[in-house]
Amino acid sequence: GEDVEQSLFLSVREGDSSVINCTYTDSSSTYLYWYKQEPGAGLQLLTYIFSNMDMKQDQRLTVLLNKKDKHLSLRIADTQTGDSAIYFCAESYSGSARQLTFGSGTQLTVLP
Amino acid sequence: KAGVTQTPRYLIKTRGQQVTLSCSPISGHRSVSWYQQTPGQGLQFLFEYFSETQRNKGNFPGRFSGRQFSNSRSEMNVSTLELGDSALYLCASSLVQNTEAFFGQGTRLTVV
Repeated sequence: GEDVEQSLFLSVREGDSSVINCTYTDSSSTYLYWYKQEPGAGLQLLTYIFSNMDMKQDQRLTVLLNKKDKHLSLRIADTQTGDSAIYFCAESYSGSARQLTFGSGTQLTVLP
Repeated sequence: KAGVTQTPRYLIKTRGQQVTLSCSPISGHRSVSWYQQTPGQGLQFLFEYFSETQRNKGNFPGRFSGRQFSNSRSEMNVSTLELGDSALYLCASSLVQNTEAFFGQGTRLTVV
């Protein structure tokens, strides 16, 4: 079955690293995504990883994928107050992004 | 390059009415997907169109329908509105065989 789970809340101090976790159940997932949503806004694509990769780094963002445990994480280095938002992980099956299954989102709060 | 444009941004409708929402994809993108976001159910896939044909459909009643025009713009329609249809409706566009989906700002529908 298709199910993506995330913890609901995370608080960190400005300048620290944030790690947002996600678990998924469908082993046939081909791409896994991280999106950011700020209040009153749509979803912003942050990064994605192909399921045959273990890690992807993009500036302050590092994505780790553990296929055996079906665990995905997003690490944000040097977290800033502007990073405060809801972060969603999502998976697709078809090799394209046309139909995504989203987790419930993690509210990241960055404290000064 | 313009992003995904959704109109209107906000709508207030009465129970029993119908509503039409519009989405203009990024230029060159032929696939448009629609999602419903509510506090209780999170982000759920509604349907996806390309080449003016519905390709995939989520688990929503027949009151939810859509279409796509030859210029790739898409509309979704909800008939006989219920209070539970109050949500943020998001559309995403992508190239047909592509790993990235880009979202619009959404239409906030309130049913009273």
